[in-house]
Formats: sequence, structure tokens, C-alpha cells
Amino acid sequence: EAQVTQNPRYLITVTGKKLTVTCSQNMNHEYMSWYRQDPGLGLRQIYYSMNVEVTDKGDVPEGYKVSRKEKRNFPLILESPSPNQTSLYFCASSTSTPSSTDTQYFGPGTRLTVL
Amino acid sequence: QQPVQSPQAVILREGEDAVINCSSSKALYSVHWYRQKHGEAPVFLMILLKGGEQKGHEKISASFNEKKQQSSLYLTASQLSYSGTYFCGTANAGGTSYGKLTFGQGTILTVHP
Repeated sequence: EAQVTQNPRYLITVTGKKLTVTCSQNMNHEYMSWYRQDPGLGLRQIYYSMNVEVTDKGDVPEGYKVSRKEKRNFPLILESPSPNQTSLYFCASSTSTPSSTDTQYFGPGTRLTVL
Repeated sequence: QQPVQSPQAVILREGEDAVINCSSSKALYSVHWYRQKHGEAPVFLMILLKGGEQKGHEKISASFNEKKQQSSLYLTASQLSYSGTYFCGTANAGGTSYGKLTFGQGTILTVHP
């Protein structure tokens, strides 16, 4: 089944404790992206990747890191999480960039709470 | 800069129609529409590229006006299953950030029997 998977689905952590949220897709997609969703603000793009070893900042990259060493994986790293990073995080992938007609498929989401 | 969606919320009875608008202050290359139900991931509805072509899928269609930098989503003869939050996402024309997709704040649509 074609899908985007994220782990963990729920995470409660404390300020400053490094964490990684994994994202994996099995559709051989070139493009992958991370979003955070907060009430009243919609989805905001954190980072995106056009291909392996090619990543770029979205609208809210501060406090986050990403890497794309393999085509299928695009982990989101919070080196020193803070309470303002408490949010619902979505990973998404598509064959090509948003400037094309390709559908973007979203993962199920990761709800992160930073105390 | 986020596109602006209007209205923020719509309440309908089954069978009624609705229009959701998405406006950007920047030149647009494409507009994406998604629907999200509570507790779930956003689900793709359609994508429109600049050119003004109207697309449709059953009773949901959309248009894209490049000159006004605006897109509208049309839901006709609404069904209970249409309830959810609708998001538009915009990819801007020009520049090097063609991997960026910026979403609006969402429009909450509620359909009652």
C-alpha cells in the first residue's frame, strides 16, 4: 500500500532533550516536506527536500533540522526542543514539487508536546 | 506570506452550495486544495496551475484567476461527508523557492442534515 509513515505518533518530552521524528515513504517520491499545524494558523512549512541531499527552508525553519540521505526517508530533528514547538507535525511527499500537478500525500501526523 | 481564506467558517444544510475563496498577495503558479477531517491528515482534492482552467471532481470544482491571484473552491449540493476544514496551498511564481507551499489558515465547513 502506498503510504507515508511517521514515528512516533505521539511524543511528550521536556525542554532541551533532543528528539527525532522519522518520516518514510514507499512511493519513490522525489519531493518531501515537513509541516506544523497550530490552531488558527493552518499548516506551515518547516523544510522541504527536492531530492537526496537537497533540502531547503520553508516558512518556519527556526529550531528544526532535517536530512535527506536516502530517497525514502526525511527525518525531522529538534536539537533543543522548546514549549513553542508543541504542535501537530505532518510529513508529506509527492513525485515532484508543488509547482507541478502532482498530489502531495500526507502522513498520519505526530503530536508533540514539549514541557 | 500566507494566503488568506474566506470565509473562516461556513454552516450549511445538506444540499446547499458553498464557495471558499483563497487570495494571495504574490503572483501564483499553482493552487492546491485539501480537506482535513478532525484528527486526520489533510487529503488532496485538486491542483490548479496558472492558466485559469477550472477543474472539477463530481460536485466539487475550483477555479484559478491569475490576474486576481485568487482561487475559489465550489461545493455544490453539499453532503454530510463534506464537513471538515478546507485548506488552500499556494506555490508562487518566479524565484528559486519553487519547492515552497504556503497554506492558508483554513475554512471550517459544517454540513447539517
